Amino acid sequence: EAQVTQNPRYLITVTGKKLTVTCSQNMNHEYMSWYRQDPGLGLRQIYYSMNVEVTDKGDVPEGYKVSRKEKRNFPLILESPSPNQTSLYFCASRYQGAQQPQHFGDGTRLSIL
Amino acid sequence: RKEVEQDPGPFNVPEGATVAFNCTYSNSASQSFFWYRQDCRKEPKLLMSVYSSGNEDGRFTAQLNRASQYISLLIRDSKLSDSATYLCVVNRGSGNTGKLIFGQGTTLQVKP
Repeated sequence: EAQVTQNPRYLITVTGKKLTVTCSQNMNHEYMSWYRQDPGLGLRQIYYSMNVEVTDKGDVPEGYKVSRKEKRNFPLILESPSPNQTSLYFCASRYQGAQQPQHFGDGTRLSIL
Repeated sequence: RKEVEQDPGPFNVPEGATVAFNCTYSNSASQSFFWYRQDCRKEPKLLMSVYSSGNEDGRFTAQLNRASQYISLLIRDSKLSDSATYLCVVNRGSGNTGKLIFGQGTTLQVKP
């Protein structure tokens, strides 16, 4: 089954404790992206990757890191999480081409205390 | 001003009604347009792409007006299962560039 898989689905943690949210897709998509969704603000792009070893900042990259060492994986790293990073996070992937639809993972709900 | 603006609603309509949502975008260079559907606490899913000539998929019709920079979604014969949030999505760039800009979403509640 074609899918984008994120882990964990839910996480409650404390300020400053490094965490990684994994994202994996099995569709051989070149493009992958991370979003956060907050009430009243909608979905905002954090980082995206056009292909292996090619990453770029989205609209809200501060406090996050990503890597793209393999085509299928695109982890999101919070080196020193803070409460303002409490949010619902989605990973997405698609084929190359701006007109291609994105496939989203199920989401990760992060709470930083 | 937000780059993609939608009326958040909620739109409360009876089953069988026809409902229309509009969305405006500010970047005239935008090339690709979509409507996504999001159920509560779930991931967004593509409902339909929006083409310049307008397009229809069953009970759903999407229109694009480049001159006025707005996109619309029409839902005919609303079903209870259409209750969801509808996200207007615009690709800021062209070619392979990746910046999708999401509207806040319009919430639809279809009542029996």
